[in-house]
Amino acid sequence: GQQLNQSPQSMFIQEGEDVSMNCTSSSIFNTWLWYKQDPGEGPVLLIALYKAGELTSNGRLTAQFGITRKDSFLNISASIPSDVGIYFCAGQARGSGNTGKLIFGQGTTLQVKP
Amino acid sequence: SQTIHQWPATLVQPVGSPLSLECTVEGTSNPNLYWYRQAAGRGLQLLFYSVGIGQISSEVPQNLSASRPQDRQFILSSKKLLLSDSGFYLCAWAGGYNEQFFGPGTRLTVL
Repeated sequence: GQQLNQSPQSMFIQEGEDVSMNCTSSSIFNTWLWYKQDPGEGPVLLIALYKAGELTSNGRLTAQFGITRKDSFLNISASIPSDVGIYFCAGQARGSGNTGKLIFGQGTTLQVKP
Repeated sequence: SQTIHQWPATLVQPVGSPLSLECTVEGTSNPNLYWYRQAAGRGLQLLFYSVGIGQISSEVPQNLSASRPQDRQFILSSKKLLLSDSGFYLCAWAGGYNEQFFGPGTRLTVL
């Protein structure tokens, strides 16, 4: 089946540093979404992208829908300890119809050292 | 506003026992509904999805089944649990823009 390649798998950074993670696909996606999951909780939607080239910000978070429609990145600026968690990219592939099915990346685990 | 509930929050069950996890959504109508399983805090595996009452699609062959008896209710079941059914089960709903919103999850441990 279709897969998303998400990298890096994990990051350990100092508080105040910027973070970048990305996802790539072998097929074209109509939608890209970025989620954050805290331990023991459900993922929370951070940013949704619907158009190729779209750049969207949510506070210190910025995400872009790649021009080729096969990739997306998420940047976090000036990281703080509460940014710790697992970040997932997800996309809806062309041809998924009304199912709304998403394909998820394997996640990037972010740890922030105060 | 829309909210999604899952219960129970945690469950410990013996091998061979039945299972019923419930998910309900408030504040929206005719949502798409999804069941995922997450192992070891990484990777979401789609188990079932439903685009309407009584309509269930299975993504992977397994020991589990799903039902949607009402528009905003989604149930995950098993007749006999296996050790491999342990995991974190997440329910999600989606409206018109394909954004999925997740519930708080159920931690299932099969002993």
